[in-house]
Amino acid sequence: KNQVEQSPQSLIILEGKNCTLQCNYTVSPFSNLRWYKQDTGRGPVSLTIMTFSENTKSNGRYTATLDADTKQSSLHITASQLSDSASYICVVSTRMTTDSWGKLQFGAGTQVVVTP
Amino acid sequence: KAGVTQTPRYLIKTRGQQVTLSCSPISGHRSVSWYQQTPGQGLQFLFEYFSETQRNKGNFPGRFSGRQFSNSRSEMNVSTLELGDSALYLCASSLGGRQTNTEAFFGQGTRLTVV
Repeated sequence: KNQVEQSPQSLIILEGKNCTLQCNYTVSPFSNLRWYKQDTGRGPVSLTIMTFSENTKSNGRYTATLDADTKQSSLHITASQLSDSASYICVVSTRMTTDSWGKLQFGAGTQVVVTP
Repeated sequence: KAGVTQTPRYLIKTRGQQVTLSCSPISGHRSVSWYQQTPGQGLQFLFEYFSETQRNKGNFPGRFSGRQFSNSRSEMNVSTLELGDSALYLCASSLGGRQTNTEAFFGQGTRLTVV
């Protein structure tokens, strides 16, 4: 079972509207949570990175929230643009311990399509 | 500052052949990770190298191997290619070390097609 679950799998929104993507995780020990945007055929680009103590972080029209108690995160896109059409991937990093280095756990992504 | 460079961008190979992909990280980054991305599976972690040592490995068969050189450049090799190896192979570089909060920067990927 994937330790990082994203929903919805895909969504279609009208240009100018807002949307919210969800990410639930069971990864432990938690270090940080990242949201990436990936355009088709290209490498992912980082949007935000949040540590345990951060509840919200913004990057332009993208706002990510983190509830470390419930192990949930969301990515809110405000006033969507056609260029927002992409896959949005939630990535959770585990904390380094005496037994292992930290590693990244990837969600399957949410495919967002913005239509005119 | 130059980004992460992956070569080649596109590759077509036949079943049974082997292939080597290259990744040059951002200058100063010592960690390089490799990922396989297919439409049905999303991003799957292959392995991570730091200072020429493999320190994390995903669940891939031994046909997939890698290495890192003293200048942090990394190569990934896939032997005895199978049709199912067709995918976008991405590498990501980061500062690495004890800082697990450092950002990972991805290259544009190598699109491998096995026929």
